[in-house]
Amino acid sequence: LAKTTQPISMDSYEGQEVNITCSHNNIATNDYITWYQQFPSQGPRFIIQGYKTKVTNEVASLFIPADRKSSTLSLPRVSLSDTAVYYCLVAPPPDTGRRALTFGSGTRLQVQP
Amino acid sequence: EAGVTQFPSHSVIEKGQTVTLRCDPISGHDNLYWYRRVMGKEIKFLLHFVKESKQDESGMPNNRFLAERTGGTYSTLKVQPAELEDSGVYFCASSQSEDRVFFHGYTFGSGTRLTVV
Repeated sequence: LAKTTQPISMDSYEGQEVNITCSHNNIATNDYITWYQQFPSQGPRFIIQGYKTKVTNEVASLFIPADRKSSTLSLPRVSLSDTAVYYCLVAPPPDTGRRALTFGSGTRLQVQP
Repeated sequence: EAGVTQFPSHSVIEKGQTVTLRCDPISGHDNLYWYRRVMGKEIKFLLHFVKESKQDESGMPNNRFLAERTGGTYSTLKVQPAELEDSGVYFCASSQSEDRVFFHGYTFGSGTRLTVV
C-alpha cells in the first residue's frame, strides 16, 4: 500500500481557505485518494475521494495533479467547527480484494477565531 | 438513516478480565470493519466481515481477540484476557456493496474507549 505523508499540524483563522497537501509518491495506477475528518471522541468521517484532476462536493475540493504523486484537500472559508484531524488515505478499489484502510498520523487543523 | 452504533462508549476493566464490544452497522451494509487506535499510535485495521464471513483478519493482533458476526448483522469483538496494551479506542465501520464504497466511503462509529488497568 502506498505510504502517505502530510503535515502534522496546521493553524488557520476563521474565514480563511485551508489547503492540506498529502504526498503519496508510490501511488499505484489503480489507487484512489480519500480524505477523512475526525473530531475528538468520534470516528473518522469520509469527506471526499478522487482519482485524478479535481473533485468538489459541498464540503471540500480535492486537487490531484497529473502525476498523482500528491493531492491537496481544500477547505473553503473554514470555521471553528472545522478544527479536527484530517487523514489522507490511498487505497485500491474494492475489487482488488483488499479493503483495509491505512491511516497515517493525519494533519491536526486548529482554526482560531 | 441511523449511523454505526457502538456499545459501550467507555469500558474500564482490570487486566485479565474479559470485555465484549458491540457494533451495530448501518442497516443493509454487508461490509463491517473493526479498527483500533492504541495510545499514541495510528488507527489500525483489525478485520473485515462480509455478512457473517471473515474476509480479512490480517490485522488481529493475537488470539486473545475474537470477532463474530452471527447472522450478518451486528458484530462483537471479545478480548479475553485483556492486557494493559489493549487499551485504546476501538472503532467499527460499515459500508455498502463494493460497487458503491468508493463513492460514499466507510461510515465509522464513535468508538469504544477501552481502558485496561
